[in-house]
Amino acid sequence: AQSVTQLGSHVSVSEGALVLLRCNYSSSVPPYLFWYVQYPNQGLQLLLKYTSAATLVKGINGFEAEFKKSETSFHLTKPSAHMSDAAEYFCAVSDRGWTGNQFYFGTGTSLTVIP
Amino acid sequence: DGGITQSPKYLFRKEGQNVTLSCEQNLNHDAMYWYRQDPGQGLRLIYYSQIVNDFQKGDIAEGYSVSREKKESFPLTVTSAQKNPTAFYLCASSSPPNYGYTFGSGTRLTVV
Repeated sequence: AQSVTQLGSHVSVSEGALVLLRCNYSSSVPPYLFWYVQYPNQGLQLLLKYTSAATLVKGINGFEAEFKKSETSFHLTKPSAHMSDAAEYFCAVSDRGWTGNQFYFGTGTSLTVIP
Repeated sequence: DGGITQSPKYLFRKEGQNVTLSCEQNLNHDAMYWYRQDPGQGLRLIYYSQIVNDFQKGDIAEGYSVSREKKESFPLTVTSAQKNPTAFYLCASSSPPNYGYTFGSGTRLTVV
């Protein structure tokens, strides 16, 4: 079975600083990879996804992530944090076979942006 | 616009009551899911359904029930057997796996 590890349940950055949220997956076959963002009392919104095209994926709100097969990682970055980036971020992985339930979420990273 | 609608946004339940959370999608997605979210625990899968009239238990199905009579609808009932139902509940749907999940805006259930 797949698993997803998000290192750091809480990350704090200063406004304008680099945002780096870490995600590692366990799979011998490169899966589909996703990052979602959740604001308080709301559902999850897709930030970006990797589905085997370019390894550097650009998403909404200035975020991007790089798929590194050798490191089984899919870390999320943003060059300059804004106050509006404060939210919970979830990494997720999906098997390539369509079995109906193959979506695995990390436990989330709460991002705080310090003014 | 297509999407998933969850209702109500807030729900209060008395001890011993069953309550039903609604989830409707107009995305024509085959699969639908229910997740429970507690602080610091991420998302835990309750039930999922790949096709109409079929559904499977997830990791924490005890005390919950679902139905899938229509492709668009996947209601979740929280029964009195669920001893700690206070949580945020999220419904999602998907089609091919590379599309990811689309989520509803959630229902916050509180036991009073």
